[in-house]
Amino acid sequence: AQSVTQLGSHVSVSEGALVLLRCNYSSSVPPYLFWYVQYPNQGLQLLLKYTSAATLVKGINGFEAEFKKSETSFHLTKPSAHMSDAAEYFCAVYGNNRLAFGKGNQVVVIP
Amino acid sequence: DAGVIQSPRHEVTEMGQEVTLRCKPISGHNSLFWYRQTMMRGLELLIYFNNNVPIDDSGMPEDRFSAKMPNASFSTLKIQPSEPRDSAVYFCASSLNGGNTDTQYFGPGTRLTVL
Repeated sequence: AQSVTQLGSHVSVSEGALVLLRCNYSSSVPPYLFWYVQYPNQGLQLLLKYTSAATLVKGINGFEAEFKKSETSFHLTKPSAHMSDAAEYFCAVYGNNRLAFGKGNQVVVIP
Repeated sequence: DAGVIQSPRHEVTEMGQEVTLRCKPISGHNSLFWYRQTMMRGLELLIYFNNNVPIDDSGMPEDRFSAKMPNASFSTLKIQPSEPRDSAVYFCASSLNGGNTDTQYFGPGTRLTVL
């Protein structure tokens, strides 16, 4: 079954610093991968998705992710963190008619 | 578009009571998903409908949980009887066709507390 692993439940980053959230996937078929963001007391919102068209995927709010098959990874980055990036971020993989979500990373932005 | 609408936003009930959560998907979307989010278990898919038909209910925890989708614009998730361990945030999401690259659009969730 397809699955994703996100390490480090809480990530602290200084305002203006690089945001890096790691996601590794396990899939027996070419994966379709997603990053979602959840702001406090809200539902999840799509940041970006990989559908095999291009390995570097650009999303909303300045985020991007690179699909690396050799590393089975789909890490999320943003060059410069903003206070508004404080949220929980989920990586997900599609398989068996469903999205399988990781445990999430709670991002705290330090002024 | 109003997005996915869920009601109520918050529900507090006592153990043993029946709870009904409601969802209105985005118009034109053919697939609807119910999720549960807890600190311990993260985000879990409970059930998935396509064209109003339940396709996969393997995530429904037990017989106390039931879900219906009587038409394309409305779905309910019912818990009867409710238990304290059911306390969680329940999300409804919809997508165009439930396909492998479809974006799922989430509602704001219902925070359920069972005392």
